[in-house]
Amino acid sequence: SQELEQSPQSLIVQEGKNLTINCTSSKTLYGLYWYKQKYGEGLIFLMMLQKGGEEKSHEKITAKLDEKKQQSSLHITASQPSHAGIYLCGADRGGTSYGKLTFGQGTILTVHP
Amino acid sequence: NAGVMQNPRHLVRRRGQEARLRCSPMKGHSHVYWYRQLPEEGLKFMVYLQKENIIDESGMPKERFSAEFPKEGPSILRIQQVVRGDSAAYFCASWQRDIGEQFFGPGTRLTVL
Repeated sequence: SQELEQSPQSLIVQEGKNLTINCTSSKTLYGLYWYKQKYGEGLIFLMMLQKGGEEKSHEKITAKLDEKKQQSSLHITASQPSHAGIYLCGADRGGTSYGKLTFGQGTILTVHP
Repeated sequence: NAGVMQNPRHLVRRRGQEARLRCSPMKGHSHVYWYRQLPEEGLKFMVYLQKENIIDESGMPKERFSAEFPKEGPSILRIQQVVRGDSAAYFCASWQRDIGEQFFGPGTRLTVL
């Protein structure tokens, strides 16, 4: 089974709507990364969360990590077409794997103007 | 992530040829990760390097693949005798251990004919 599950796999919203993408780990995380990828391009770093209960925001995007450090959510407020892309969460297990990221399968976000 | 350089951006090779992919990390970063994104498979860890050291190569295929990060110059991912199944996007990520944030380059898209 997947160590890191993202949901939903795809999401279509109307511009201006709020949306949430979830990332669930079967194991406790050392850190959780969120990236955005445009098709055929590289990954854009959004946020990194390390502490249980941590929440970070950048412009209209907010990411949270639960207290148990096994679930994270990415929330976009008042979505815009520029938010469209593939959102990936990456898990850092720490320990001897510190820095080595395991990725979810991605969430494809489409925003209709 | 604008500071992580990868070249070439696109590479076409015929079966049996060699592919060399280069990655220059962000200034001041001495850790590099290589990941591979196969169609329909997601992003997978390949190898973790520090300057002049391979730290973790557990994700590297056992044959034909090698990586280095010399004291001077970029990190190199080398694929010998390429096969069609090597066609993928190869990304490197630059990481500063004490900060934790990991930034990706734009990737090299390898096509094997």
